[in-house]
Amino acid sequence: RKEVEQDPGPFNVPEGATVAFNCTYSNSASQSFFWYRQDCRKEPKLLMSVYSSGNEDGRFTAQLNRASQYISLLIRDSKLSDSATYLCGKTSYDKVIFGPGTSLSVIP
Amino acid sequence: EPEVTQTPSHQVTQMGQEVILRCVPISNHLYFYWYRQILGQKVEFLVSFYNNEISEKSEIFDDQFSVERPDGSNFTLKIRSTKLEDSAMYFCASSEASKGAGGYTFGSGTRLTVV
Repeated sequence: RKEVEQDPGPFNVPEGATVAFNCTYSNSASQSFFWYRQDCRKEPKLLMSVYSSGNEDGRFTAQLNRASQYISLLIRDSKLSDSATYLCGKTSYDKVIFGPGTSLSVIP
Repeated sequence: EPEVTQTPSHQVTQMGQEVILRCVPISNHLYFYWYRQILGQKVEFLVSFYNNEISEKSEIFDDQFSVERPDGSNFTLKIRSTKLEDSAMYFCASSEASKGAGGYTFGSGTRLTVV
């Protein structure tokens, strides 16, 4: 099993929709989890860290479920500017391992 | 906002040539990383570096690759004899905390094209 797995999508949603991404991981020893956003041919940018208690930043909510070994990202009231690839990542020894990313296109 | 700077933004090189990719991490960060992303594929870990030594490296990071921090600010990735399959975007990253906890800041990348 790959260490981090994501549905590659693409997810095509209308503006204003709510969209959710899941990411599953192996190796329960991982300490920290993240969501990054990557625009086409650009560097990944940290969107938010993910905590077991759940955390929210504006329209974005992230959740970690250690028992089931998955993390989720919920985007409410999606904007055209949310179109990007969303990478989940987890720490593993001295590095972060990323999933392959989920592509989101928000359509007018 | 502090940023990680990478140069050059794009490099074209002939197969078999040596290339050096340069990065200036954020000044108070202590942990440094190189990742690569082949077009259309995932972001893959190459190497992590702390306290002037490699702390972890992947299977991709073979004897053709090396890293160093020659002057306390630059962090370089050298590929000794490039292959066609080394063509990719190479991202440098740095973090304040160990093991990437707290997240990385990535540079804007160097697109390496081997012909």
